[in-house]
Amino acid sequence: GENVEQHPSTLSVQEGDSAVIKCTYSDSASNYFPWYKQELGKGPQLIIDIRSNVGEKKDQRIAVTLNKTAKHFSLHITETQPEDSAVYFCAASIGRGSTLGRLYFGRGTQLTVWP
Amino acid sequence: ETGVTQSPTHLIKTRGQQVTLRCSSQSGHNTVSWYQQALGQGPQFIFQYYREEENGRGNFPPRFSGLQFPNYSSELNVNALELDDSALYLCATPSDLRDTGELFFGEGSRLTVL
Repeated sequence: GENVEQHPSTLSVQEGDSAVIKCTYSDSASNYFPWYKQELGKGPQLIIDIRSNVGEKKDQRIAVTLNKTAKHFSLHITETQPEDSAVYFCAASIGRGSTLGRLYFGRGTQLTVWP
Repeated sequence: ETGVTQSPTHLIKTRGQQVTLRCSSQSGHNTVSWYQQALGQGPQFIFQYYREEENGRGNFPPRFSGLQFPNYSSELNVNALELDDSALYLCATPSDLRDTGELFFGEGSRLTVL
């Protein structure tokens, strides 16, 4: 099955700095890569995703890049704010047909943004 | 607001007992997935239901079972509870009928096994 590795496990940055979280995956059939933000006591919230036919996607302060050859993808948060503090998870999936709904998650990155 | 509702939000059980967790979605999608998230870990896929039948299972024993009803609400049942079953149980459904792959999660049911 798919194996997703995520680094770092913890990340502390000063408000206004950038944060980068990196993930690798093992199954070359995976073609859908979402990122989730999880705040304490809540369920994961989808913040951005990318598909294998795209190399980069941006949504305001958040961007995701994908390198299919190397099987890695990254989340970039610019101009970080204290409210960005949360646990971030990357995931991979084949993402269609009968496999819809089967996500393989990384272990998470606890991001802390200091004011 | 994801439109995915789970109940109960918290519960405490003892070893050997059985538990039923519930999930409903406003999207009306015919696919629902269940995940287990142990403390400090990423969610792990338990199984998926499609049109009331199990359609794929992760590495979980048969004492983890589920149901999906004609209105596409769902239940997760766990028999013979073990201490390691203590976790946040998450239900997820696709965002809409376009099958884009986007999954929306509920807030979860926090199970503590003593």
